Amino acid sequence: AQRVTQPEKLLSVFKGAPVELKCNYSYSGSPELFWYVQYSRQRLQLLLRHISRESIKGFTADLNKGETSFHLKKPFAQEEDSAMYYCALSGSGAGSYQLTFGKGTKLSVIP
Amino acid sequence: KAGVTQTPRYLIKTRGQQVTLSCSPISGHRSVSWYQQTPGQGLQFLFEYFSETQRNKGNFPGRFSGRQFSNSRSEMNVSTLELGDSALYLCASSASVTGATGELFFGEGSRLTVL
Repeated sequence: AQRVTQPEKLLSVFKGAPVELKCNYSYSGSPELFWYVQYSRQRLQLLLRHISRESIKGFTADLNKGETSFHLKKPFAQEEDSAMYYCALSGSGAGSYQLTFGKGTKLSVIP
Repeated sequence: KAGVTQTPRYLIKTRGQQVTLSCSPISGHRSVSWYQQTPGQGLQFLFEYFSETQRNKGNFPGRFSGRQFSNSRSEMNVSTLELGDSALYLCASSASVTGATGELFFGEGSRLTVL
């Protein structure tokens, strides 16, 4: 079974402080991991995916297979980063046709 | 390019009724998937279609069904509505042949309230 856990419902940080949104997963095969973000009054959208190994809006995420984690990090938080962040997993076979989402972490950046 | 369009945006039904929700994917996208979002359970996968074929179905009762047409537009239907079906129903399309392994583009959702 596929499972994604985001332990923090809410994370508040000051502007300029580092941010780390935690994500742990459970999957027996080789998953693909994603971070999706929903800004206020906008649609859910892809932020980044682990296979791209890129930085988007200053965010990075490294897949740690040993710890089964895919934490999202940014060295200096900005007010515009305030949003709902969802970690998601796609499996193999039929599991590749669906995303399993964590319950999300609401990031609030305090000015 | 127009985004994913879902209709209706809001609807209110009573227990026992049925509802049909519609989704128009981004032009050229052949994969369409549906998710249910509730405060308690979060985002849960309903089903995914590609070229009119359902490739995967989530853990929902048979009251939840869907289909995809030859133009890739999709509908989902919920019969015999229950109070617990109140939720935001999100549709997403993908250009990827492998579905969710590619970027999903989400619609704004259809908010269903069951009274």
